[in-house]
Amino acid sequence: AQSVTQPDIHITVSEGASLELRCNYSYGATPYLFWYVQSPGQGLQLLLKYFSGDTLVQGIKGFEAEFKRSQSSFNLRKPSVHWSDAAEYFCAVGPDSSYKLIFGSGTRLLVRP
Amino acid sequence: EAGVTQFPSHSVIEKGQTVTLRCDPISGHDNLYWYRRVMGKEIKFLLHFVKESKQDESGMPNNRFLAERTGGTYSTLKVQPAELEDSGVYFCASRLAGVADTQYFGPGTRLTVL
Repeated sequence: AQSVTQPDIHITVSEGASLELRCNYSYGATPYLFWYVQSPGQGLQLLLKYFSGDTLVQGIKGFEAEFKRSQSSFNLRKPSVHWSDAAEYFCAVGPDSSYKLIFGSGTRLLVRP
Repeated sequence: EAGVTQFPSHSVIEKGQTVTLRCDPISGHDNLYWYRRVMGKEIKFLLHFVKESKQDESGMPNNRFLAERTGGTYSTLKVQPAELEDSGVYFCASRLAGVADTQYFGPGTRLTVL
């Protein structure tokens, strides 16, 4: 069955510290991979996506993610977290962007001053 | 350019009542999706419109849910009669026509059924 696992429900980091949010997927073929972020009162905003090519993908707001086929992972990273990064982050997969997306359960990021 | 908008932002109703959620996609986006997040779990797909046609409604939980997109513009999702388990956040997303185009999400409607 197709699924996405985000093992961390909550993560707390200090401002300025590095961040890595984990995402593992189960999918029959090479999927399209996405990270979305939801800030309070906002819709889901696309941070980055991977379709093919370079497995290290750069996104908005200084985020990047690395696709590792052997580990079925697509972890999100940021070298230095800002207080405004506090939000909920969702990993998603799909056969392409036109099809329904399968989401993980989300990771809520808290940032300590 | 305006993003995807959803109305209302919150709705609180009694079990057995009817509620209608509305989604206005980004202008020109033929593709419209409904998703739902229940009780802090994962966001789950409900259905997909291409213009006014239902492309995929495999995620609709039961026949108490009715989605429409008359004229291929805005869409409504009606729940009748509402049950307690329908509580959650309902998201709408829209997308242009290309396979690689992004799904843009609205802020969601938080539905509480008492």
